[in-house]
Amino acid sequence: GNSVTQMEGPVTLSEEAFLTINCTYTATGYPSLFWYVQYPGEGLQLLLKATKADDKGSNKGFEATYRKETTSFHLEKGSVQVSDSAVYFCALGGYSTLTFGKGTMLLVSP
Amino acid sequence: EAQVTQNPRYLITVTGKKLTVTCSQNMNHEYMSWYRQDPGLGLRQIYYSMNVEVTDKGDVPEGYKVSRKEKRNFPLILESPSPNQTSLYFCASSSKDLKIAGETQYFGPGTRLLVL
Repeated sequence: GNSVTQMEGPVTLSEEAFLTINCTYTATGYPSLFWYVQYPGEGLQLLLKATKADDKGSNKGFEATYRKETTSFHLEKGSVQVSDSAVYFCALGGYSTLTFGKGTMLLVSP
Repeated sequence: EAQVTQNPRYLITVTGKKLTVTCSQNMNHEYMSWYRQDPGLGLRQIYYSMNVEVTDKGDVPEGYKVSRKEKRNFPLILESPSPNQTSLYFCASSSKDLKIAGETQYFGPGTRLLVL
């Protein structure tokens, strides 16, 4: 079956530091890949997505590239802000079913 | 405004007392899902629906029921809640039509349930 593994947190960074959150997956076929973000006390929001191999999703300075050869979809941002503090979920699937990783909490300090 | 709404947002109940969490979307999406979020486990799918009167089990369906009588609504029913169903529940909707949703699932704000 499908599964997603992402790095455990919390990830603690200072403002303007570089961020990487690792995500690897196992899947049958070639599903779409997603990063969702959950801010404290809120629901999940789509951050970015990629629908096929070598696609790069990007939004709000975050990027992730769909790497079929390494079955990875790592999230990166060049310079994090305090407002980026949240829980980040990697997921695969599509319109009917999403398989999520366990989530990675990011804490950014001024 | 396009959105998924859930009610109630917070609920405290006792073991065995039937409850319903409502979910509604105004985007004309044909797909709707329920997930539960637990610490250290991420989100797991409970049930999903492909359209009116068509539902299927997700990864953790035991103890839950759903129905889809109208396209916009997808209530989650706990006939006899137990403490292990204490969790944060999310409803989501999506469409196969790339012009409408492009495979993206849109989530509601969540319902925090405590079963005593």
